[in-house]
Amino acid sequence: GENVEQHPSTLSVQEGDSAVIKCTYSDSASNYFPWYKQELGKRPQLIIDIRSNVGEKKDQRIAVTLNKTAKHFSLHITETQPEDSAVYFCAATSLSGGSYIPTFGRGTSLIVHP
Amino acid sequence: DAGVTQSPTHLIKTRGQQVTLRCSPISGHKSVSWYQQVLGQGPQFIFQYYEKEERGRGNFPDRFSARQFPNYSSELNVNALLLGDSALYLCASILEDTMNTEAFFGQGTRLTVV
Repeated sequence: GENVEQHPSTLSVQEGDSAVIKCTYSDSASNYFPWYKQELGKRPQLIIDIRSNVGEKKDQRIAVTLNKTAKHFSLHITETQPEDSAVYFCAATSLSGGSYIPTFGRGTSLIVHP
Repeated sequence: DAGVTQSPTHLIKTRGQQVTLRCSPISGHKSVSWYQQVLGQGPQFIFQYYEKEERGRGNFPDRFSARQFPNYSSELNVNALLLGDSALYLCASILEDTMNTEAFFGQGTRLTVV
């Protein structure tokens, strides 16, 4: 099955700095890569996603890049703000047993210091 | 994502007991997935149901079972509870079982086994 590795586990930055979270996956058939943000005590929510036919996607301060050859994808947050503090999860979606199943990374705890 | 509801929000059970968790997906969504999230880790896939049929099963023991009802709501059952079953159980609502479909998570049920 799919295996997703996510690094770093914790990331501490100053407000205004950039933050980068990296993920690698094992199943070359995976074609959809969503990123979720989970604030303390709240549900995971999709913040951005990328499909395999695209190399980069941006949404305001957030961007995601995908390298299918190397099987890795990254989340980039620019001009970080304290409200960006949360746990971020990457996922890779692959076909398993006839159904599309996302496999999640272990998460990155981002701390933005004012 | 106003429609994804899970009940109960918190639950305390004793080792050896059985528990039933419930999930109502977003109106119109036909697929429900269940995840276990242990503190400090990403969501781990347990089951996926689509149109009342089991479409995927993660690496969990037979003590875990689930079903989906005609109205697309779902129940997750765990028998013979162990201390290690303590976790946040998340339900995700998905419109269709396709590669690029966003998963909308519920708030989760916090299960504590003592």
